[in-house]
Amino acid sequence: GAVVSQHPSRVICKSGTSVKIECRSLDFQATTMFWYRQFPKQSLMLMATSNEGSKATYEQGVEKDKFLINHASLTLSTLTVTSAHPEDSSFYICSARNSATNEKLFFGSGTQLSVL
Amino acid sequence: GENVEQHPSTLSVQEGDSAVIKCTYSDSASNYFPWYKQELGKRPQLIIDIRSNVGEKKDQRIAVTLNKTAKHFSLHITETQPEDSAVYFCAASIHDMRFGAGTRLTVKP
Repeated sequence: GAVVSQHPSRVICKSGTSVKIECRSLDFQATTMFWYRQFPKQSLMLMATSNEGSKATYEQGVEKDKFLINHASLTLSTLTVTSAHPEDSSFYICSARNSATNEKLFFGSGTQLSVL
Repeated sequence: GENVEQHPSTLSVQEGDSAVIKCTYSDSASNYFPWYKQELGKRPQLIIDIRSNVGEKKDQRIAVTLNKTAKHFSLHITETQPEDSAVYFCAASIHDMRFGAGTRLTVKP
């Protein structure tokens, strides 16, 4: 089956620092990857759509300068939380769609970010 | 954009009983409807999905029904077991995927 790898699984950082999260599709190519944020006991909220070779598409209310997305290859997308603050603490999870089937989404294992 | 609503938010059933979770969506162009099961702190796991050209799909104890006209779809779990306890999310997709608010299912032994 399709595997999406996400690292790191857990990050604790000081306020003001930047954190990079990687999302890789291991056995398929993904022209599109999606970044979600999930607060405790809430649903997955789409933050942005990451498009290989082009700019990401951000959802309303998500600051593109704060959440930098890079999708430089067909198997890797990164999310950088810049100048993180305690309110950015959340579970961040990526997903990827197989470019060949263009339907099912496969999720990474998620990154629990805690900003002190 | 697409808006997905999910009910109930919590559901408690006795082991062996059936559980039904319902979702509605707003965008008639949505054509793919997956259901995910998520355990605490883990990634969502796809448990069943249905395309817009199909009305019903079954996989062992799990079934999904879709009513395109009414724009709603439901998850049915029969003969529930304690290990079915988790949070279940419905989703609707055209290009990106939008999730419902989730249903916390508790199966009491």
